[in-house]
Amino acid sequence: EDQVTQSPEALRLQEGESSSLNCSYTVSGLRGLFWYRQDPGKGPEFLFTLYSAGEEKEKERLKATLTKKESFLHITAPKPEDSATYLCAVRGRSGGSYIPTFGRGTSLIVHP
Amino acid sequence: EAGVTQFPSHSVIEKGQTVTLRCDPISGHDNLYWYRRVMGKEIKFLLHFVKESKQDESGMPNNRFLAERTGGTYSTLKVQPAELEDSGVYFCASSQEARRQGPWEQYFGPGTRLTVT
Repeated sequence: EDQVTQSPEALRLQEGESSSLNCSYTVSGLRGLFWYRQDPGKGPEFLFTLYSAGEEKEKERLKATLTKKESFLHITAPKPEDSATYLCAVRGRSGGSYIPTFGRGTSLIVHP
Repeated sequence: EAGVTQFPSHSVIEKGQTVTLRCDPISGHDNLYWYRRVMGKEIKFLLHFVKESKQDESGMPNNRFLAERTGGTYSTLKVQPAELEDSGVYFCASSQEARRQGPWEQYFGPGTRLTVT
């Protein structure tokens, strides 16, 4: 069974204070690792898909990296508007065709 | 382009009653998914439609849940009769026709918060 563990559960940063969120996973034959951002009262918003170890993707202040056991979401010089819950999900060979397994998320608060 | 929409945004019902949730996917998206998030836990898959056909319904909790997708457009998820443990946020997501290499980008709706009392 695929598993995803995200840490920390909650993170408070000062504006401009860079940090990283962790997503550890176990999956049989990774077919994609996904990062989403979720704002209160809204659905998850797609950020990145990573497919293989060593792959990196960037979007504004966010950079996602992938190893064989975990993924990191690096946030550089965050702003208050980056405050949200960040979700990680994986899809593996053992799962259904298009079914991701989600972690519980990291709640990020960036103080001005 | 309009995103995924869900109705209602909130629903409060009593145990034993029936509730129907609706999801309108992004136009042209063949794939439609239902998920549920129970408070304090992760988002869990319920089922997946490809057009009007159920591709995978392995996540449906029990036979009190019935999902339909009329003509491959909008979808409904009916809970009958509702139980206390059915409370949670129900999300719908859609994606374009799946390709072998992905990227399997799913676009989520805002969710329906269901409270069963």
